[in-house]
Amino acid sequence: EVQLVESGGGLVQPGRSLRLSCTGSGFTFGDYEMTWFRQGPGKGLEWLGFIRTKIYGGTPEYVASVKGRFTISRDDAESIAYLQMNSLKTEDTAVYYCGRVGKAAGVDGFDIWGLGTTVTVSS
Amino acid sequence: QSALTQPASVSGSPGQSITISCTGTSSDVGRYSLVSWYQQHPGKVPKLMIYEDSKRPSGVSNRFSGSKSGNTASLTISGLQAEDEADYYCCSFTTSTTYVFGTGTKVTVL
Repeated sequence: EVQLVESGGGLVQPGRSLRLSCTGSGFTFGDYEMTWFRQGPGKGLEWLGFIRTKIYGGTPEYVASVKGRFTISRDDAESIAYLQMNSLKTEDTAVYYCGRVGKAAGVDGFDIWGLGTTVTVSS
Repeated sequence: QSALTQPASVSGSPGQSITISCTGTSSDVGRYSLVSWYQQHPGKVPKLMIYEDSKRPSGVSNRFSGSKSGNTASLTISGLQAEDEADYYCCSFTTSTTYVFGTGTKVTVL
């Protein structure tokens, strides 16, 4: 079964850092761009960034609002994508999802989503 | 990059058709054939319903269809059913090599 599982969420104080992990299974992880999203309480979906496959340089892109604070990386050998979040703010409180860009499967959309992990930023 | 504009809510009776609009700019919706739509039931994970403007993933009902004209994409749900009551989000790739979601639309089945 193709699936993604996020981990690493929790309660963190403002200004601190947190690293989220997204572990894939059931597919060749390295063939796919991986992306991160979040959804604040009662709010809509926000795209945070994605990381290209190694064939295309393995480089990331980010939404302007998190550029410089958030970093996406990947370890294809372990089938894991990471979201490193620094200088966290209360407004970063949200459910964080990872997703697969399904281009390699012929579906150019976010075709697989994890169940999400909750990050609460509070003192 | 501003969020794409969607109506806050759309409603319809069972069996009717409804259409949700998603308005962007020539730098996103109007630039590429890369608009996708997601359905999200309360407390659940978003689900891909339409990709590349109008294609349906395997397993998605053919009651869902997507289209686009200029800078506005649309999702049509025909034969509305109670299970279609959910939030719907559009998403587009942009010329900044990023993605942007729409503001979201709550669909209510009367």
